[in-house]
Amino acid sequence: AQKITQTQPGMFVQEKEAVTLDCTYDTSDPSYGLFWYKQPSSGEMIFLIYQGSYDQQNATEGRYSLNFQKARKSANLVISASQLGDSAMYFCAMRIRNSGNTPLVFGKGTRLSVIA
Amino acid sequence: GAVVSQHPSWVICKSGTSVKIECRSLDFQATTMFWYRQFPKQSLMLMATSNEGSKATYEQGVEKDKFLINHASLTLSTLTVTSAHPEDSSFYICSASPEEFPGTGELFFGEGSRLTVL
Repeated sequence: AQKITQTQPGMFVQEKEAVTLDCTYDTSDPSYGLFWYKQPSSGEMIFLIYQGSYDQQNATEGRYSLNFQKARKSANLVISASQLGDSAMYFCAMRIRNSGNTPLVFGKGTRLSVIA
Repeated sequence: GAVVSQHPSWVICKSGTSVKIECRSLDFQATTMFWYRQFPKQSLMLMATSNEGSKATYEQGVEKDKFLINHASLTLSTLTVTSAHPEDSSFYICSASPEEFPGTGELFFGEGSRLTVL
């Protein structure tokens, strides 16, 4: 079974500063994908970034980057130049890649608050 | 990206009644859809996997007779909460992808349905 651990229930960051949201995972499957989703108060799930287990380089998407350390089984999200609109819940998730259609398994989430 | 639409966005019902929530893939066919439940200030928990043309697969602890799932076509899955009670009040959200694990393997989510049982 897969497990995602997010140990930071809440984080505060000053506007324009960078922030790192922690995520560790556990799986015995060699092929998987790691995802970060943002959930504002409206409830919608917004896809931010993806990292494949065989990817050699860390993923980047605009202000988002994923610090992937496979040996440590960690996939931390780095948000640079924080904006007030970044205030939301952030979920780390994993999806096993096999022959079937597999679901996402989510961590408990981190609530990020950006301070002006 | 692919679009998943969910309806209704929110619903209020009386205890003991049944509520149906629809999840549609608008621009792709989905043989599999996933239903999640999210209680306030908690994470998304997988309830069941909906398979087109066959029975849904439920996660441990999820009552099959209470949460009826029907995946009658390649673009529509429905979740019916039968004899709803206040403890069923939650945010229900569905997700799907065009292929089994395309490209990034991103799952696309519906807007979610907020159920309040009085």
